[in-house]
Amino acid sequence: DIQMTQSPSTLSASIGDRVTITCRASQTIGMWLAWYQQKPGKAPELLIYKASTLESGVPSRFSGSGFGTEFTLTISSLQPDDLATYYCQQYDNYSSFGQGTKLEIK
Amino acid sequence: EVQLVQSGAEVKKPGESLKISCKGFGYSFTKYWLGWVRQMPGKGLEWMGIIYPADSDTRYSPSFEGRVTMSADRSISTVYLQWNSLEASDTAIYYCARQGDGYNTWGQGTLVTVSS
Repeated sequence: DIQMTQSPSTLSASIGDRVTITCRASQTIGMWLAWYQQKPGKAPELLIYKASTLESGVPSRFSGSGFGTEFTLTISSLQPDDLATYYCQQYDNYSSFGQGTKLEIK
Repeated sequence: EVQLVQSGAEVKKPGESLKISCKGFGYSFTKYWLGWVRQMPGKGLEWMGIIYPADSDTRYSPSFEGRVTMSADRSISTVYLQWNSLEASDTAIYYCARQGDGYNTWGQGTLVTVSS
């Protein structure tokens, strides 16, 4: 199965900062990569699919890029509501998730 | 509105069996794969497998194959996740999610607690 590795595991940033989270796949997955936001006590929510397509209703400060084995999620200007854990997911070969990145606000 | 509504929290003893459910509303149930995702306490998301309700075609993660069974009843727009013999390590929140491009709709989660 395909292993997904996210970095960093924890990220502390200030309001207004540009934040980047990286996700690496153990083998090529093309564009078949999604990003999710999970707030405490809630189900995950889809942010981005096909590596770079923003889900309807998601703020434009979120963006995704990458292809093959290396992907990034960027928040252009961090907001208080962005406190959450972020997961990448490949859906090229069955599916698997990264271990998550916990985003803390300084 | 597209929704997935899951069955309520369960408390079970080790060795007991369990079947939890996920019912779809607001869309053509048989046209989308539905996945199951585990989240153990304080941990990340784990993909368990996926089922196609139209014909019950099922794919399991190697980590869960043989431990759980996924099934579907398309007549009532419901998919199920079943255990024959629970273990304490099955304690977790279990989510169902609809697969489009990514999982674009999630159920609210079912908390399963296994304790003697």
